[in-house]
Amino acid sequence: QVQLLESGGGVVQPGRSLRLSCASSGFIFGSFGMNWVRQAPGKGLEWVALIWYDGKTKYYADSVKGRFTISRDNSRNILYLQMNDLRPEDTALYYCARIYDTNTSPFDLWGQGTLVTVSS
Amino acid sequence: QSVLTQPPSVSGAPGQRVTISCTGSRSNIGAGYDVHWYQHLPGTAPKLLIVATVNRASGVPARFSGSKSGPSASLAITGLQAEDEADYYCQSYDTSLSVSNWVFGGGTRVTVL
Repeated sequence: QVQLLESGGGVVQPGRSLRLSCASSGFIFGSFGMNWVRQAPGKGLEWVALIWYDGKTKYYADSVKGRFTISRDNSRNILYLQMNDLRPEDTALYYCARIYDTNTSPFDLWGQGTLVTVSS
Repeated sequence: QSVLTQPPSVSGAPGQRVTISCTGSRSNIGAGYDVHWYQHLPGTAPKLLIVATVNRASGVPARFSGSKSGPSASLAITGLQAEDEADYYCQSYDTSLSVSNWVFGGGTRVTVL
């Protein structure tokens, strides 16, 4: 079955770190770019980061640049998001999403999300 | 504030037609970059609905259609059904300030009366 499954969310204090994972199955993970997209409570979708298929090219939203790191392990079919120096405004449901081969391709497969709450 | 502007909500009776606009600028939709649309039911995975402005994704009913004019795109739902009640997002690629960015609209809640 083609799917993405996020994990690693939880409640964390401001300034602390958290690592999210996204396990893939049912497709050739190493052939696709991968994204993290988040949705804060009561807000819309916000793109967070993208990593292309080989792990060499990465992009970040300005709101997380310097604090978050996206990475992938193609041998284990897993995507990661290392989140450091977390802020209350990082509180959101975090989704991983697949993108095919170009900057203008759609996000054609999404996971169910993992909730991150940053609070003291 | 989102880079792509959508109305917060639209509503219609069953069987009616509703449209959702998505207004961008010269650095995204107006630059010719593709627009994609997603349907999102809270608590579930967003679902790809329209690809590259006008193409329905696999399995999407024909009552969903997309169009574009200049820096704006639109999603139309004809023959509105109760199961269409959801949030809808447009998405495109933006190259403003020479920073690659993937941008979403603020989302539109469709209510079936």
